Amino acid sequence: KQEVTQIPAALSVPEGENLVLNCSFTDSAIYNLQWFRQDPGKGLTSLLLIQSSQREQTSGRLNASLDKSSGRSTLYIAASQPGDSATYLCAVSGAGSYQLTFGKGTKLSVIP
Amino acid sequence: GAVVSQHPSRVICKSGTSVKIECRSLDFQATTMFWYRQFPKQSLMLMATSNEGSKATYEQGVEKDKFLINHASLTLSTLTVTSAHPEDSSFYICSEVKRGGVEQFFGPGTRLTVL
Repeated sequence: KQEVTQIPAALSVPEGENLVLNCSFTDSAIYNLQWFRQDPGKGLTSLLLIQSSQREQTSGRLNASLDKSSGRSTLYIAASQPGDSATYLCAVSGAGSYQLTFGKGTKLSVIP
Repeated sequence: GAVVSQHPSRVICKSGTSVKIECRSLDFQATTMFWYRQFPKQSLMLMATSNEGSKATYEQGVEKDKFLINHASLTLSTLTVTSAHPEDSSFYICSEVKRGGVEQFFGPGTRLTVL
């Protein structure tokens, strides 16, 4: 059974800092990995999707990497802003399936 | 991205009543829809997967007679919580996969509170 772990559970940084969020998964036979953002009481916003054959994806100040063999992914946020404050979720789908297994998330607070 | 809507966004009901939650894809046809539940400070847990025109597949531990899922069309799925109890209070989120796609697009969620 796939298990997804995100470290740290919470992170507080001053505005302008670069930061890295970590995600690890136990079964490396994944189809893709997605990073999401969730604001309090809201649904999920997809940030980046990395196919199993890819190493990284970039969107604006966000960069996500994937090391499938070691079961790890990182989400790098450059020049953090208070508006980046949210919970960031990592999720993986198994080979041949759309089903996502989620981590518990990292709650990020960017202090002005 | 793609737009997925859920209705209602928030519902409060008495114990024993049934509540229906709608999930619609507004700008694409969804071949597969998922329903998740999220308890406070927990991650999303998949409840069931539904494909248009076929019965939903429920995850272990999810009662299919309590959580009725109807994938009526390529743009609409409904989740009905029957005879709701306080322990069913949670945040319910749907997601959809476009025909031919792999990425899941999530709705804004429905907060259910059962008194």
